[in-house]
Amino acid sequence: GAGVSQSPSNKVTEKGKDVELRCDPISGHTALYWYRQSLGQGLEFLIYFQGNSAPDKSGLPSDRFSAERTGGSVSTLTIQRTQQEDSAVYLCASSYTGTGHEQYFGPGTRLTVT
Amino acid sequence: AQSVAQPEDQVNVAEGNPLTVKCTYSVSGNPYLFWYVQYPNRGLQFLLKYITGDNLVKGSYGFEAEFNKSQTSFHLKKPSALVSDSALYFCAVREHLQGGKLIFGQGTELSVKP
Repeated sequence: GAGVSQSPSNKVTEKGKDVELRCDPISGHTALYWYRQSLGQGLEFLIYFQGNSAPDKSGLPSDRFSAERTGGSVSTLTIQRTQQEDSAVYLCASSYTGTGHEQYFGPGTRLTVT
Repeated sequence: AQSVAQPEDQVNVAEGNPLTVKCTYSVSGNPYLFWYVQYPNRGLQFLLKYITGDNLVKGSYGFEAEFNKSQTSFHLKKPSALVSDSALYFCAVREHLQGGKLIFGQGTELSVKP
């Protein structure tokens, strides 16, 4: 079946611009996660959505970062006033809820801030 | 706080030889442990997990991992390495049984030479 999809695959933006990254999780998965992968910081958790519960935003690095999940499915990660240190690969993952379910990752969006 | 350590940045193995990629963890409660693999310019791919039960877990592509509670380790192993196993491997721990963020190690680059 279809996996997690993300768009765009690559995004180049100028410093100070806003960007939106999109994630389509696997159908039926109730949990959705955003992570960031960069050379200096490795893989970092950003935010986690579970059903109708309040999201876990504990990993968002600043208030320039926000995310929403509409209708319990598609999610958008927004970065306002981008900075060069925001350059990274942004990975989305989804999973079932329940005992021990693993997360399935999308191919990522490579963001470059010039 | 949870943490994961992968003490080797790189592991080099000859094709046909056994391989081990090391992982140690620190959690306050029960550990829920995962291994993921990342091929160049791809997202993370799930390999295997330990939730409970048998300490030796088997996963995709002939990989297995041994959970050792006393040593707080979860090393990834394969009896006979293939050149196609060359990739970046990540160990991860999750705090909660039902879901939640993954905390990743820094990754280990596995290189298998013919």
